[in-house]
Amino acid sequence: DIQMTQSPSSLSASVGDRVTITCRASQSIDNYLNWYQQKPGKAPKLLIYTASSLRSGVPSRFSGSGSGTDFTLTISSLQPEDFAAYYCQQSYSTPITFGQGTRLEIK
Amino acid sequence: EVQLVESGGGLVKPGGSLRLSCAASGFSFSNAWMNWVRQAPGKGLEWVGRIESKTYGATTDYAAPVKGRFTVSRDDSKNTVYLQMNSLKTEDTAFYYCTTGNRYFDLWGRGTLVTVSS
Repeated sequence: DIQMTQSPSSLSASVGDRVTITCRASQSIDNYLNWYQQKPGKAPKLLIYTASSLRSGVPSRFSGSGSGTDFTLTISSLQPEDFAAYYCQQSYSTPITFGQGTRLEIK
Repeated sequence: EVQLVESGGGLVKPGGSLRLSCAASGFSFSNAWMNWVRQAPGKGLEWVGRIESKTYGATTDYAAPVKGRFTVSRDDSKNTVYLQMNSLKTEDTAFYYCTTGNRYFDLWGRGTLVTVSS
């Protein structure tokens, strides 16, 4: 199975900050890497697919990059509604696996 | 409206069975690959299994912890996907979400809670 390791596990930041979350795969997954946002009590929402494609309707302050084993999710200027949990996911092979999550909290 | 609505969750004893349903609307269900993802309370996301579209043979695949106990099926005439869960364990307690997609999951239901407890 492909293991996905996210860092950090939690992060405190302020509105307006630039934030980067990283995700590392245990083997190459090409660009089959997706990012999801989840708010408390809600289902996850797709933000970024195939490493760097922004889902329609997602604000342009979100961006993704990387290929192979190392990936990043960047939020260029944090907004109040961005405080949530973020998960990476590999879809290169089954079993599909998620990172353990990053909890983004208000400083 | 494009949506997925799960149902069938509840309280079940260890060793028991439960069948979850996920009703789809607003998109071409018969062409969709359907997945189940679960989340134990306060924990992260875990892929459970999927069923491909009939064009791809409706092939199923499962995560190791549920293989042999859970079965994903679909009824395209009802725009519904099912998760049959047998031999339930306490560690299966979670919110269960259905979601569409092959390479990425772009539509999710609100989830249904399954609690396995004596």
